Amino acid sequence: DTAVSQTPKYLVTQMGNDKSIKCEQNLGHDTMYWYKQDSKKFLKIMFSYNNKELIINETVPNRFSPKSPDKAHLNLHINSLELGDSAVYFCASRQMTGRTGTGELFFGEGSRLTVL
Amino acid sequence: QQPVQSPQAVILREGEDAVINCSSSKALYSVHWYRQKHGEAPVFLMILLKGGEQKGHEKISASFNEKKQQSSLYLTASQLSYSGTYFCGTPGGISYGKLTFGQGTILTVHP
Repeated sequence: DTAVSQTPKYLVTQMGNDKSIKCEQNLGHDTMYWYKQDSKKFLKIMFSYNNKELIINETVPNRFSPKSPDKAHLNLHINSLELGDSAVYFCASRQMTGRTGTGELFFGEGSRLTVL
Repeated sequence: QQPVQSPQAVILREGEDAVINCSSSKALYSVHWYRQKHGEAPVFLMILLKGGEQKGHEKISASFNEKKQQSSLYLTASQLSYSGTYFCGTPGGISYGKLTFGQGTILTVHP
């Protein structure tokens, strides 16, 4: 029973296209994240939702739009894809334990996006 | 701000020890450690909290020096399964719930 699941696992598309990645968690967590991991393995936070409210919105092009229909789901839509968008996108979730947020992150398997 | 990890890479033989360091330019009240094996997702190892409390799941130890704003991960008697990239993560300042990761340390264990 997968705790954090992402679909699709692989996307190959042309520049200029639009694509979406979906994420679902069955852990009952109240906070979900999108991280981008580039070819140098750097894990960069993009967005976070806490109980469907956007709480983190890093410096990301506005071609990227997250959406959380409920606290168990977080989607990422990307418009007008560019070569530099090629990366692995990880969804993660955790239960926030107060303002310090000491709950551990549970990551999905990742969605590898290749833009040609 | 992103924490800084050192070294960038470590190569060991089975049974050897390694230390991975994580430094922050701002005050810390907790540090997370994760390991990512090739082609897989990062997996939680340990959280260190201000005041010395640790929460972990594996036989890996760590320290947290609040004054120096540093944490170190100790891998003793390394096994082949320890190979991977290790990340430390520190909570963000203003952004509630933000966890920012260091650049990662690649650990390779050979037989």
